[in-house]
Amino acid sequence: AQSVTQPDIHITVSEGASLELRCNYSYGATPYLFWYVQSPGQGLQLLLKYFSGDTLVQGIKGFEAEFKRSQSSFNLRKPSVHWSDAAEYFCAVGSYTGTASKLTFGTGTRLQVTL
Amino acid sequence: DGGITQSPKYLFRKEGQNVTLSCEQNLNHDAMYWYRQDPGQGLRLIYYSQIVNDFQKGDIAEGYSVSREKKESFPLTVTSAQKNPTAFYLCASSSPPRTDYRNTEAFFGQGTRLTVV
Repeated sequence: AQSVTQPDIHITVSEGASLELRCNYSYGATPYLFWYVQSPGQGLQLLLKYFSGDTLVQGIKGFEAEFKRSQSSFNLRKPSVHWSDAAEYFCAVGSYTGTASKLTFGTGTRLQVTL
Repeated sequence: DGGITQSPKYLFRKEGQNVTLSCEQNLNHDAMYWYRQDPGQGLRLIYYSQIVNDFQKGDIAEGYSVSREKKESFPLTVTSAQKNPTAFYLCASSSPPRTDYRNTEAFFGQGTRLTVV
């Protein structure tokens, strides 16, 4: 069965500093991977996705992620964090059960940005 | 504007009562999902549906029920059998291409916060 692990529950960075959020996945085939962001009390917004091809994918709001098959990882990065990036970030893997598609999420990483 | 609408935004329930959360989408998506979110536990899948009149149990289906009578609608009922229903509930939809059903880029509603009083 597929699973996603986000080892960091909470991360604090200073505004302007670089950011890396970790994500490890378990999936038997080529994974479809996603990063979502959630502001407090809101729904989730897609930041970026990876299906195949170039292992470095660009997303919205200046985020990027790198797929590393050998490490089963899909880490999210941003060179310079803005205070508005404070939110919760979720990594997810897409799968198909034979009858339906679904997304499996990690437990999330809450990002705090200090000024 | 296309999107997913969840209602109500806040819902209060007395113990022993059933309540129904609404989820409507006008994105013409085939697949719809219900997730429950609790602090520190991420999003856990309750039920999902690939097509009308068909749905599957997710990881935490006990105490919940759904229906999918229309493509646009996927209501969730939280029954009295759900022992700890207080949570934030998120509905999502996607349209996986027939070329690869794993491509589940999902769009989310704004959520319903359910509180048992």
